[in-house]
Amino acid sequence: QKEVEQNSGPLSVPEGAIASLNCTYSDRGSQSFFWYRQYSGKSPELIMFIYSNGDKEDGRFTAQLNKASQYVSLLIRDSQPSDSATYLCNNFNKFYFGSGTKLNVKP
Amino acid sequence: DTGVSQDPRHKITKRGQNVTFRCDPISEHNRLYWYRQTLGQGPEFLTYFQNEAQLEKSRLLSDRFSAERPKGSFSTLEIQRTEQGDSAMYLCASSPRTAPEQFFGPGTRLTVL
Repeated sequence: QKEVEQNSGPLSVPEGAIASLNCTYSDRGSQSFFWYRQYSGKSPELIMFIYSNGDKEDGRFTAQLNKASQYVSLLIRDSQPSDSATYLCNNFNKFYFGSGTKLNVKP
Repeated sequence: DTGVSQDPRHKITKRGQNVTFRCDPISEHNRLYWYRQTLGQGPEFLTYFQNEAQLEKSRLLSDRFSAERPKGSFSTLEIQRTEQGDSAMYLCASSPRTAPEQFFGPGTRLTVL
């Protein structure tokens, strides 16, 4: 079992819809998770981080952490074609990244 | 602040040769990380420095890989006796003292023929 697991996708959503990206992790003691966005041929860039159970909102992005169920999610509201990228879930405590979920937002 | 820089951006080498990559972190960032990324995969952790101390090293890393950060500023990653399986993008990232988020450099793409 991988430390951090993500569905590789691709996840396709129409422009303006909500995109939901999910990540599960195996280390029950982990506390800090980051979401990075990676455009094709580019390096990852930070979108959001979350430390505590519940939701954290930043503009069109909402990160959710459920420690009991060991999953982290990222919701992107009003998806735009410019959101099309691979989204990486990162367990900061263990330096692990998931393999990423490719998101396609169709105009 | 010019961001994390890496040199070279591309490296083509023959199997068996040694290669060295350099990473210059963002000024004042005391933490530095090296990752390897292959197509369709997320970054794979290689090693982590806090100032000049190497605090974490992946168990996946063979003895052919070594990293240094001699003065707590730039870092080098050396791969000895390269193999075709070493072909990947090598990413460097740095973090400031007061926050955990990592800022990535543009990467060095290694091709081993």
